[in-house]
Amino acid sequence: KAGVTQTPRYLIKTRGQQVTLSCSPISGHRSVSWYQQTPGQGLQFLFEYFSETQRNKGNFPGRFSGRQFSNSRSEMNVSTLELGDSALYLCASSSGASASTDTQYFGPGTRLTVL
Amino acid sequence: AQKITQTQPGMFVQEKEAVTLDCTYDTSDPSYGLFWYKQPSSGEMIFLIYQGSYDQQNATEGRYSLNFQKARKSANLVISASQLGDSAMYFCAMRERGTNAGKSTFGDGTTLTVKP
Repeated sequence: KAGVTQTPRYLIKTRGQQVTLSCSPISGHRSVSWYQQTPGQGLQFLFEYFSETQRNKGNFPGRFSGRQFSNSRSEMNVSTLELGDSALYLCASSSGASASTDTQYFGPGTRLTVL
Repeated sequence: AQKITQTQPGMFVQEKEAVTLDCTYDTSDPSYGLFWYKQPSSGEMIFLIYQGSYDQQNATEGRYSLNFQKARKSANLVISASQLGDSAMYFCAMRERGTNAGKSTFGDGTTLTVKP
């Protein structure tokens, strides 16, 4: 089975712009979660989608949004970029069958730099 | 209080020796999962091993084993016969039900360096 794929792998944007990141989960997985990783804050949960519905959301401003399509692919969007949004954005997929025991498998990440 | 605590920011181990990476957790959910991930400098998070809260035996996956002590709320990762390729950041993570459903909560990580 192919793993989780994320595009693009690297992105450079300027403040005020918006960006869309894409994630394709492992075939058959219905849950996709997004995380932001920074040296100062570590790994922080952004949101989780299951069957096109957002099931959980982390403590991020409304500039961060996401969606999931019927084929389980997911996108996240960040509007009005700030310097502090520079981070590695990781997508993880799981079957979605169990909230507590499903293993999340991660993609290679998108490294976003905001200038 | 932090839900996942990794008290070792950095660890060194000699090649071919075993090393234990510490992890303690906090939850009131009786059903939870504990996971360890490896993150090389490339950035990708690689799943290593899983332990369920109801599992009676410690999990093992090749050279990785998880020392699960439920009463102490600890889930330490043991890597046997360390290899140079094991040098990476290691994260302990937990999944729960309820308001935390759908997400993994991660510790701050431990940087492991394997010396030749």
